[in-house]
Amino acid sequence: DAGVIQSPRHEVTEMGQEVTLRCKPISGHDYLFWYRQTMMRGLELLIYFNNNVPIDDSGMPEDRFSAKMPNASFSTLKIQPSEPRDSAVYFCASSLSDSGTEAFFGQGTRLTVV
Amino acid sequence: SQQGEEDPQALSIQEGENATMNCSYKTSINNLQWYRQNSGRGLVHLILIRSNEREKHSGRLRVTLDTSKKSSSLLITASRAADTASYFCAMDTGRRALTFGSGTRLQVQP
Repeated sequence: DAGVIQSPRHEVTEMGQEVTLRCKPISGHDYLFWYRQTMMRGLELLIYFNNNVPIDDSGMPEDRFSAKMPNASFSTLKIQPSEPRDSAVYFCASSLSDSGTEAFFGQGTRLTVV
Repeated sequence: SQQGEEDPQALSIQEGENATMNCSYKTSINNLQWYRQNSGRGLVHLILIRSNEREKHSGRLRVTLDTSKKSSSLLITASRAADTASYFCAMDTGRRALTFGSGTRLQVQP
């Protein structure tokens, strides 16, 4: 397996524009997580899914953020409209359902909103 | 707010020396994990220690866990320049999603 695949790797957009980040989890993993990493706040959990169903979205900062998982092999994180403070590295991770198993991370999407 | 705090925030050592990083957390855990992140890359799992374990080894890594003090430490022995990275502890509190500490930036000088 190629691991968790995220696209794009880098995104530069203007304030107010819609941004869509994409993630393909490892095949067979039934948990998918979206994290955001910044210098100031570290790694923050935004939302996670189990079997394509959102379980906890309490970390989503505002209504401008939304995430979907239409099937087991694809998830999107959308920001509309984007703001400069959304600039961060966004990570997707996946794991198996067994308790205590490790999370596998993608390479991240570095988002810059100007 | 972050569930875990790590110290030191940054550590610089010479190749061959041992590196010790500490993690303190706030709530009960099922297990604690350590991850490594190279600059510009994603996190990679290193080792997992369950709440009923006190010590675990994996190659040059040694992890300890003290649930009474809500703390863990990661020891990297005989460090190499390639160990230069950021290291994060991550707590599994039972809600399935991991909560990460603030991280330690390790620099190993060749």
